[in-house]
Amino acid sequence: AQSVTQLDSQVPVFEEAPVELRCNYSSSVSVYLFWYVQYPNQGLQLLLKYLSGSTLVESINGFEAEFNKSQTSFHLRKPSVHISDTAEYFCAVSGVKAAGNKLTFGGGTRVLVKP
Amino acid sequence: DAGVTQSPTHLIKTRGQQVTLRCSPKSGHDTVSWYQQALGQGPQFIFQYYEEEERQRGNFPDRFSGHQFPNYSSELNVNALLLGDSALYLCASSQGWGGETQYFGPGTRLLVL
Repeated sequence: AQSVTQLDSQVPVFEEAPVELRCNYSSSVSVYLFWYVQYPNQGLQLLLKYLSGSTLVESINGFEAEFNKSQTSFHLRKPSVHISDTAEYFCAVSGVKAAGNKLTFGGGTRVLVKP
Repeated sequence: DAGVTQSPTHLIKTRGQQVTLRCSPKSGHDTVSWYQQALGQGPQFIFQYYEEEERQRGNFPDRFSGHQFPNYSSELNVNALLLGDSALYLCASSQGWGGETQYFGPGTRLLVL
């Protein structure tokens, strides 16, 4: 079984400032890690994922996340945010080669970018 | 390349009624998972279908049931609706049993009065 903790429920940030969203997980097996973004009144969009290989993964819109196995973390960062990054962000895990690929989500972090 | 689609987008029901939600997976995907997202919370896994069988189930009562059709589309049925069933219901699809990455649809927002 897995669990995910997102340490901040809300993060206000000014436009062009950096942001970091924290995610810690617990699992008895190796995991795949994901960040999804949810814009108001929409479904979830995959932002980036770690499956294997390099522990630093990047998205096409400037976000990056680093898998830290020893600290069981997968924090999300962006060096300079835009107003359009205002959304809710969810960290999720699934078990590597587990039967099926059930995702376990954290409670989400709401990012509000202020001008 | 069509993504995951869901219907309807919104639904209002009263307590005790039954509801059916529908999902078509992304092109090339054959596994469908359903999640419930209550207001202000992260999604919770309901169940997963592959080869027309329920393969995995989360901690949801038997009032929640589903089906997968030969074309890989899926339905979620909820009987005897409770006020607490009000939520956004998300469908996700992936390729193959155990496919690593799930892609989500826009969701169906259900309000139970």
